[in-house]
Amino acid sequence: QSVLTQPPSMSATPGQRVTISCSGSYSNIGSNTVTWYQQVPGTTPKLLIYTNNQRPSGVPDRFSGSKFGTSASLAITGLQSEDEADYYCAAYDDSLNGAVVFGGGTKVTVL
Amino acid sequence: HVQLVQSGAEMAKPGASVKVSCKTSGYNFITYGISWVRQAPGHGLEWMGWFSTYNLRAKYPHRLQDRVTLTIDASTTTGYMELRNLTSGDTAVYYCARTDSSGSWWFDPWGQGTLVTVSS
Repeated sequence: QSVLTQPPSMSATPGQRVTISCSGSYSNIGSNTVTWYQQVPGTTPKLLIYTNNQRPSGVPDRFSGSKFGTSASLAITGLQSEDEADYYCAAYDDSLNGAVVFGGGTKVTVL
Repeated sequence: HVQLVQSGAEMAKPGASVKVSCKTSGYNFITYGISWVRQAPGHGLEWMGWFSTYNLRAKYPHRLQDRVTLTIDASTTTGYMELRNLTSGDTAVYYCARTDSSGSWWFDPWGQGTLVTVSS
C-alpha cells in the first residue's frame, strides 16, 4: 500500500491529453513539493518534473505538473508513442522522522 | 556529464548481507546527497534512505532503519548501501541517485541499477 495514491493505469490515443493524479496528505504533498518520474519498461527511472511544476532541461514541454492542497497531477498533452511508460509521483513526508514516499505508479498505454 | 555507475548483480542467501556500490562522477560530490531506491520485480519504487555527503548524516525509512546502512568514500566519490538479514522479499533492483537535499528531494540522475537476488 503506497502512501501516495495514483490510478494503476490509463490509456489514450496519440495526440490526446492524459492527466495522472497523485493524492496524499498534509504531511507529504500538503507540506512539501512533488516530483514526477518516468520509467520506460526495462529502463532506469528518469526525472520528469521537480518542485511541483519545473521541467529539467531536455524534458518536452508537453509534460506539466501542478499541485493543489494535498493532491498533485501530471499532464501529458499531445501524447506520443514514446510516452508509453510508468509514471511515479513522490514527495517528502514529515511524519515518522521523515521519508521520501512514492505513489504506486501509473502505467500509461498509448493505443 | 553526471554519471552514477553501480556494482554488478548479486546473489545472496537468506540471512546474509549485501553491499552495493555507486561510483559518481561529473559533479561536485559534496553538493548533493545520494539516495537509494529499490524496485521489486513487477512493483513500484521504494525509498531506502539518503546520505548527506556534506555533513555525513543519514536518513532511513522507519521500516528499514534496523537493516540498512548507507556510507560514502569521499576520496573515491562513491556511495555504498548495505542491507542485512536478507529475505526473499528483498529481491529487487537497487538504484542509487544523486539527490537534491535542499528541500525539493529530487533524484537525478539514477544509476543503472543492481539486481539483488535472495534465494536459498
